[in-house]
Amino acid sequence: KAGVTQTPRYLIKTRGQQVTLSCSPISGHRSVSWYQQTPGQGLQFLFEYFSETQRNKGNFPGRFSGRQFSNSRSEMNVSTLELGDSALYLCASSLSGPPGYNEQFFGPGTRLTVL
Amino acid sequence: KNEVEQSPQNLTAQEGEFITINCSYSVGISALHWLQQHPGGGIVSLFMLSSGKKKHGRLIATINIQEKHSSLHITASHPRDSAVYICAVPTGNQFYFGTGTSLTVIP
Repeated sequence: KAGVTQTPRYLIKTRGQQVTLSCSPISGHRSVSWYQQTPGQGLQFLFEYFSETQRNKGNFPGRFSGRQFSNSRSEMNVSTLELGDSALYLCASSLSGPPGYNEQFFGPGTRLTVL
Repeated sequence: KNEVEQSPQNLTAQEGEFITINCSYSVGISALHWLQQHPGGGIVSLFMLSSGKKKHGRLIATINIQEKHSSLHITASHPRDSAVYICAVPTGNQFYFGTGTSLTVIP
């Protein structure tokens, strides 16, 4: 079974631009969660989607948004990029349930650099 | 205030040593996760446990729900165990992570 895939793996943007990241979960997994990892803040939960609906959300501004498609693939969008948005963005999938209540399978991440 | 605290932050061990990483949390939980992150970023889920002890190969994870504390033990450590180990707890609709323990095992 293929693992979680994320595209692109690396991305360089400038302040003020917007970016869209993509995540394809393991086949059969319906829950997709997104996380931001920075050296200063560590791993932080962004949001979780299940059956095309945002089910849980972390403490991030509205510039961070996402969506999930009927095939469970998910996209994350960050608008009006700031320097502090430079981070590794990870997605994880699980069969069902809120993030953390089932085993999570992580993708390799997208490293975003904002200049 | 951090919901999840890990110690130590950094750990260097000789190959073969027994290693313990600790995690304390302040929120009510039904499960706790131990994750492993190798250089390059990839994260692997090691354990998800809600009580007692779990063992997988040379890795052992324990949790004491009453004391809000968990430990990850590595027996007979090996250089390939060098990684960052992160504990994480789901609570309500949030998922909190520790800052991680960076482990280096020297041959």
